[in-house]
Amino acid sequence: KAGVTQTPRYLIKTRGQQVTLSCSPISGHRSVSWYQQTPGQGLQFLFEYFSETQRNKGNFPGRFSGRQFSNSRSEMNVSTLELGDSALYLCASSLGPRGLAGAETQYFGPGTRLLVL
Amino acid sequence: LAKTTQPISMDSYEGQEVNITCSHNNIATNDYITWYQQFPSQGPRFIIQGYKTKVTNEVASLFIPADRKSSTLSLPRVSLSDTAVYYCLVGELNRDDKIIFGKGTRLHILP
Repeated sequence: KAGVTQTPRYLIKTRGQQVTLSCSPISGHRSVSWYQQTPGQGLQFLFEYFSETQRNKGNFPGRFSGRQFSNSRSEMNVSTLELGDSALYLCASSLGPRGLAGAETQYFGPGTRLLVL
Repeated sequence: LAKTTQPISMDSYEGQEVNITCSHNNIATNDYITWYQQFPSQGPRFIIQGYKTKVTNEVASLFIPADRKSSTLSLPRVSLSDTAVYYCLVGELNRDDKIIFGKGTRLHILP
């Protein structure tokens, strides 16, 4: 079974531009979560989608948005890029929605490395 | 989300058994404990998950004492390729939490 795939793997943008990142979950997985990872802040949760609905959202500005399609593929968009948005963006999928107990295992993709100049 | 405390870094040698302990004093009754491994510029990889006592799979063991306030990830006979960052995750997302993965433990395996 193929793992989580993310495209593109690397991206260079300039300040003020916008970017769209794509994530294809493991076949049969319906939950997709997005994370931002930076050396200083570690791995931070952006949002989670399940059955095309955003279930949870982390503490990020409105410039960060996402959506999920009927085939569970997901995209995230960052508008008006800032230098601080340079990071590794990770997507993770799981069979069901994530719950407070943490029993739902997440499977991560390789990430998209975004560099904002 | 229960806060976790792990050692920042550890060194060990090839062939040794490595134990990484995570403290989670305010773990909730229903919380699971999950460990992930991450190599540079890659996404975290699930290693093992448990709720209580001991869990073992093909790559690791997870020991959880009765009070569940800590857990220990055990890696048998490590190799150089086990050099990575290991994250202990307790419970799941709390809507108000910004950081759900801690800093992790940077494990360095020496030849």
